Amino acid sequence: NAGVTQTPKFRILKIGQSMTLQCTQDMNHNYMYWYRQDPGMGLKLIYYSVGAGITDKGEVPNGYNVSRSTTEDFPLRLELAAPSQTSVYFCASSGQGRFNQPQHFGDGTRLSIL
Amino acid sequence: GQQLNQSPQSMFIQEGEDVSMNCTSSSIFNTWLWYKQEPGEGPVLLIALYKAGELTSNGRLTAQFGITRKDSFLNISASIPSDVGIYFCAGQPRLSGNTPLVFGKGTRLSVIA
Repeated sequence: NAGVTQTPKFRILKIGQSMTLQCTQDMNHNYMYWYRQDPGMGLKLIYYSVGAGITDKGEVPNGYNVSRSTTEDFPLRLELAAPSQTSVYFCASSGQGRFNQPQHFGDGTRLSIL
Repeated sequence: GQQLNQSPQSMFIQEGEDVSMNCTSSSIFNTWLWYKQEPGEGPVLLIALYKAGELTSNGRLTAQFGITRKDSFLNISASIPSDVGIYFCAGQPRLSGNTPLVFGKGTRLSVIA
């Protein structure tokens, strides 16, 4: 069972470069999320989606964009990478109905901006 | 936004000891979830609680949904080295309607063999 799959696992970017963090889930979950986790800190919600074609901003959306064209995929895009975006990024999904359903997390993408 | 206060921030315990950590808020929550994150991995769900007063166990782990709906605790009995990790609480605030979970900042657990 794959669950939530994130690629790449590691990436180093130069300031100003752009990239897309990929996330796909095979559990037919409607709800998907992107978080960032800074060293020694908790999870901060960047964006979330309740279904294909619907996205909403979370706590820290600035500098990021998302799209949700299919139920399975929820890519996160950084347009102009900045050092402040160095972090570990986690994608998660949860079953439909309500947000209180447990979230299933991927293993993360470790991103460094130099 | 809603805040969850998780304590302690970190713990160093001897193998075999029991562990207790908690999560509190000034607001009422509908749901409490407890996750564990091991180094280099994403958080993994340990226990989910949906009713005030609910007490649920998962092996050596026990969690409770506080009667006031403003807190939850997680206990680990007879700790072992593989219990090392960061434990997060998460909850859904009642007054905010159907909104994403709020996460605590985590309790970092170290077990000394």
